[in-house]
Amino acid sequence: SQQGEEDPQALSIQEGENATMNCSYKTSINNLQWYRQNSGRGLVHLILIRSNEREKHSGRLRVTLDTSKKSSSLLITASRAADTASYFCATNGGQGGSEKLVFGKGTKLTVNP
Amino acid sequence: DAGVIQSPRHEVTEMGQEVTLRCKPISGHDYLFWYRQTMMRGLELLIYFNNNVPIDDSGMPEDRFSAKMPNASFSTLKIQPSEPRDSAVYFCASSSLGNQPQHFGDGTRLSIL
Repeated sequence: SQQGEEDPQALSIQEGENATMNCSYKTSINNLQWYRQNSGRGLVHLILIRSNEREKHSGRLRVTLDTSKKSSSLLITASRAADTASYFCATNGGQGGSEKLVFGKGTKLTVNP
Repeated sequence: DAGVIQSPRHEVTEMGQEVTLRCKPISGHDYLFWYRQTMMRGLELLIYFNNNVPIDDSGMPEDRFSAKMPNASFSTLKIQPSEPRDSAVYFCASSSLGNQPQHFGDGTRLSIL
């Protein structure tokens, strides 16, 4: 079964707006990672947040982690049409063990120009 | 730097035929992962290797699937005999450590007729 579950399944916004995607998981984790997948391509790693961290930034990306609620969020600020992609959270540790990543089913983001 | 290289990018074959998918991981990465992605089931881990040794093959769907890693720069995933339900995108990924970000290839889109 999937460890991470993203919400919403699909999101459509206008260029310049912020996009927020959420991820919930079920068991304890070592870290949580966010990946991006453009159509027809492989996944690309965006950001990793450790279980003892609460917030992390990378450029226009902001990730939060709440281990008490077993949830994470990915915020993309000032979105661009090029941000159109599917975004996946993946958990490391817990039921997957320390070496395996368990992926959610993703949020499909569409940024309209 | 070359990323993870998969071949072929597309494969169309008839049911019952043998299919071999190939992967070249990033040089120096000790971990190699094989995934399958479908709309219904999302991204599933099939098997992973550490230093060319299979560590966990619990995700391999059945005996028709086999994977090998004869050396640090090459891995194969074989399906024999293939069935229409095997149609999916198969990804290979590698990482330097087990709990670190994974680098994905662009996948092989497999269609079994």
